[in-house]
Amino acid sequence: GENVEQHPSTLSVQEGDSAVIKCTYSDSASNYFPWYKQELGKGPQLIIDIRSNVGEKKDQRIAVTLNKTAKHFSLHITETQPEDSAVYFCAATFGRAGSYQLTFGKGTKLSVIP
Amino acid sequence: NAGVTQTPKFQVLKTGQSMTLQCAQDMNHEYMSWYRQDPGMGLRLIHYSVGAGITDQGEVPNGYNVSRSTTEDFPLRLLSAAPSQTSVYFCASSGTGETEAFFGQGTRLTVV
Repeated sequence: GENVEQHPSTLSVQEGDSAVIKCTYSDSASNYFPWYKQELGKGPQLIIDIRSNVGEKKDQRIAVTLNKTAKHFSLHITETQPEDSAVYFCAATFGRAGSYQLTFGKGTKLSVIP
Repeated sequence: NAGVTQTPKFQVLKTGQSMTLQCAQDMNHEYMSWYRQDPGMGLRLIHYSVGAGITDQGEVPNGYNVSRSTTEDFPLRLLSAAPSQTSVYFCASSGTGETEAFFGQGTRLTVV
């Protein structure tokens, strides 16, 4: 099956600084790469996703980059705010058409220090 | 909008007991999945379904059963609970396997 590695496992940044989380995946056939944010006591929620035919995608302070050749993708958060503190998960799809599954990284706990 | 609803939110079981975790979605999604979340392990796929009547195993299926008789519901059954099944369980649904997955609020299960 798919293997997704995520780094770092914990990240502390000062408010206003940028945060970068990196993931690598093993299945070269993967086409969909979502990022989820999980706040304490809640289920994960999608914050941004990217497909294999796109190299970069932005949504306000959040951006994701994808390098299919190297099989890695990254989440960039600029101008971090205390409410960005949460656990972030990357994921990649694997499997065959009509039966795709998501494999998640182990998560990054982001702490934004006011 | 309800989205994905999981019940119960908390449960304590004794070793050997059985129970069913309920999951329902009102978005007419074909894909539904069950994950367990353990500290430092991320989200691991237990079972998934790509439509009513179709289920398949994920990464960690042992000790769990599922069925999908309707599009809306995807219950997870623990056959004989073990302490190793102490975890937080999440149900998710999506339109396809490559679109946004919507997660429930989770069920925190403790097996003593």
